[in-house]
Amino acid sequence: DGGITQSPKYLFRKEGQNVTLSCEQNLNHDAMYWYRQDPGQGLRLIYYSQIVNDFQKGDIAEGYSVSREKKESFPLTVTSAQKNPTAFYLCASSLGTSGSLPDTQYFGPGTRLTVL
Amino acid sequence: AQSVAQPEDQVNVAEGNPLTVKCTYSVSGNPYLFWYVQYPNRGLQFLLKYITGDNLVKGSYGFEAEFNKSQTSFHLKKPSALVSDSALYFCAVRGEIGNAGNMLTFGGGTRLMVKP
Repeated sequence: DGGITQSPKYLFRKEGQNVTLSCEQNLNHDAMYWYRQDPGQGLRLIYYSQIVNDFQKGDIAEGYSVSREKKESFPLTVTSAQKNPTAFYLCASSLGTSGSLPDTQYFGPGTRLTVL
Repeated sequence: AQSVAQPEDQVNVAEGNPLTVKCTYSVSGNPYLFWYVQYPNRGLQFLLKYITGDNLVKGSYGFEAEFNKSQTSFHLKKPSALVSDSALYFCAVRGEIGNAGNMLTFGGGTRLMVKP
């Protein structure tokens, strides 16, 4: 988990509220990712960003929004439009080197979001 | 589309015995394969990856994985299991073709239980 921090560790949200999950990295990585983890379903990609001021939707972007104003930071907002937001959220980063070979993604410790 | 299957939800093994966690994949072109481990309420930790070269890849904590192209498999192995190896293991794949970013597809995870 070193180099990538996520806060808070636990988050409780009332229905209809927006909440923002923080992700910060000091690895000087260009690329950052947000995943959602549900029991028995593995990880699903929400959004990713390959460079500052640019990001793309992943497989399950509906009800979520992101920004990438700084290289180190990639906050995720879970909006009231997300109908089933209770899950474990994981942020990751990678070097983002150009070319066809993949670089390794490194993960933060996660935020567990519970809707009350 | 790329996909990963981890056919076993749970693998039980006695401490000191060899362990295998299975993974099969489907991608376009050459595959790039990864194994991660997750301890309770933690982020994912990178174990090893196959990009090219030798089919047997050695990684962290004594783990290794064997790439078998004909069987489209990338099984994780360890010669002698430890109780501390008990965790959730994820296989991930990225295809060479048709993947604009560094997008990984994760399997559903396999829980490894090592009993004393």
